[in-house]
Amino acid sequence: GNSVTQMEGPVTLSEEAFLTINCTYTATGYPSLFWYVQYPGEGLQLLLKATKADDKGSNKGFEATYRKETTSFHLEKGSVQVSDSAVYFCALSEDAGNMLTFGGGTRLMVKP
Amino acid sequence: DGGITQSPKYLFRKEGQNVTLSCEQNLNHDAMYWYRQDPGQGLRLIYYSQIVNDFQKGDIAEGYSVSREKKESFPLTVTSAQKNPTAFYLCASSPPGFVGEKLFFGSGTQLSVL
Repeated sequence: GNSVTQMEGPVTLSEEAFLTINCTYTATGYPSLFWYVQYPGEGLQLLLKATKADDKGSNKGFEATYRKETTSFHLEKGSVQVSDSAVYFCALSEDAGNMLTFGGGTRLMVKP
Repeated sequence: DGGITQSPKYLFRKEGQNVTLSCEQNLNHDAMYWYRQDPGQGLRLIYYSQIVNDFQKGDIAEGYSVSREKKESFPLTVTSAQKNPTAFYLCASSPPGFVGEKLFFGSGTQLSVL
């Protein structure tokens, strides 16, 4: 079956530091990959996506590249802000209409 | 504004009690979902419904029940059979087609046991 593994948190960084949150996946086919973000007390929002190998998803300064050879989709940001403090979820979906498989989530805390 | 409304934001359950979590959407989406979120764990699918009057069990349906009598509404009942109900519950909806990039979430309900 499909699975998504994320690095455990919390990840604590100072403002303007470089961020990497690791995500690797297991899938039987060729999934689409997603990063969702959950701000405190809220539901999840789609942050970025990539639908095929070597695609780079980007949004709000965050980037992730679909690496088929390493089955990875690591999230990066060059300079984090306090407002980026949230829980980040990596997820995959194989087919149209198929359910999402989520990773365990990684909490990011950014200190001023 | 279109969106998904979950209520209440906080809910407390006594032993042996059934409680119902509300989820309403005005996005005209066909599909609706219930997820459970536990600390440090990913979201786990409880139930989903792709059309009115039809729903399917997800990965952790035991101890839960749902109904889908209207397109806009997908209430979740946590029954007394669910022995560990304390969690954050998220409702979501999506239009037909590819789920991943069109999944909209509500703000969640925190359920705790008294």
